[in-house]
Amino acid sequence: GDSVTQMEGPVTLSEEAFLTINCTYTATGYPSLFWYVQYPGEGLQLLLKATKADDKGSNKGFEATYRKETTSFHLEKGSVQVSDSAVYFCALLLHNFNKFYFGSGTKLNVKP
Amino acid sequence: DAGVIQSPRHEVTEMGQEVTLRCKPISGHNSLFWYRQTMMRGLELLIYFNNNVPIDDSGMPEDRFSAKMPNASFSTLKIQPSEPRDSAVYFCASSSASGGKYQETQYFGPGTRLLVL
Repeated sequence: GDSVTQMEGPVTLSEEAFLTINCTYTATGYPSLFWYVQYPGEGLQLLLKATKADDKGSNKGFEATYRKETTSFHLEKGSVQVSDSAVYFCALLLHNFNKFYFGSGTKLNVKP
Repeated sequence: DAGVIQSPRHEVTEMGQEVTLRCKPISGHNSLFWYRQTMMRGLELLIYFNNNVPIDDSGMPEDRFSAKMPNASFSTLKIQPSEPRDSAVYFCASSSASGGKYQETQYFGPGTRLLVL
């Protein structure tokens, strides 16, 4: 069935390290893909999105490219900060079936 | 701009009691979602309203859960009777949609942290 799979956390990095959080999906049709971020004690916020193959979403130094051939939407950042510590959720929207799926979330801890 | 407003932010109750969670969506949004988040199960969609009408309630766990949206600016999620396994963070989210279809960006409230003893 349709789903989103994220790498399990927590991911612990030192400040200024390179970040990759893997996300792969299984979907019928042509989904839109998203990354949401949840800071401690808060609700989820949209971080970035991509609506078609080869699109790159970017925001706050984070990037993710919609790769149809590998059904992936990996999140990257070149230099993380302590303030990036949060839980990151990959999600997909199946327009044809009106379904929205969230991944299980990946917790990121960035140490000074 | 006020975001999605949820109340209460924290609720502690005893097993068997009725719990009512409240949500005010962003003005102008016509879709509203209730989610539940736990460590074990992650983020689960409970129910989705479009133009105040429930469109998809397949995620509502059982008859103890009910949700209403009497108007465009207010929704409730009720648990009666509550059980310890209902302990979770409950999120409300809203978005704009047309024709009952999801639109792409959902705006989440801060959540209600529920503890059932």
